[in-house]
Amino acid sequence: SQTIHQWPATLVQPVGSPLSLECTVEGTSNPNLYWYRQAAGRGLQLLFYSVGIGQISSEVPQNLSASRPQDRQFILSSKKLLLSDSGFYLCAWSGTLRSYTFGSGTRLTVV
Amino acid sequence: AQSVTQLDSQVPVFEEAPVELRCNYSSSVSVYLFWYVQYPNQGLQLLLKYLSGSTLVKGINGFEAEFNKSQTSFHLRKPSVHISDTAEYFCAVFSYGQNFVFGPGTRLSVLP
Repeated sequence: SQTIHQWPATLVQPVGSPLSLECTVEGTSNPNLYWYRQAAGRGLQLLFYSVGIGQISSEVPQNLSASRPQDRQFILSSKKLLLSDSGFYLCAWSGTLRSYTFGSGTRLTVV
Repeated sequence: AQSVTQLDSQVPVFEEAPVELRCNYSSSVSVYLFWYVQYPNQGLQLLLKYLSGSTLVKGINGFEAEFNKSQTSFHLRKPSVHISDTAEYFCAVFSYGQNFVFGPGTRLSVLP
């Protein structure tokens, strides 16, 4: 069966520090991969999606970037975090149109 | 472009009472519809989905939803809620050539 792993679960980082959040999927090949952010009390905002290795689409301009070095690996990064980058980050994959499967999320607090 | 509206940002309800969480969408093409649930500090979990066929869809935890094409709605219902149903619920729509679009969410609070 397919599973999705996302880590770390929580992270507290100072302003200006780098960021790397990792997401991996098991049990499937060539998944579509997504990064969402959920700010406090707000809905889900799609940040990036990828339909294949090295293929990244950005939905909104921001301080973050994404990379897909392997078929089932999706990384969210920043060179210098801002306070506004705080939030709950969710990775998701979809193999067909039938649904998304989400990771357990990373709570990022920038201080 | 498609969009999803969840008119109720918060819904308080007493335990064992029925609940309906509203979802309306707009799209110029055929859509597939989903409800997800998010418990505190967790990822989203699929509750149910409508792809085709019967417009009444049953999901996990006793939830069901009805697709109404003429009203472009996909409301979520449960006849009797439990304290453990307290969570945030997201409606989502998908169509070919588009990414999933999520509604802003409805926070369901079940009171004892």
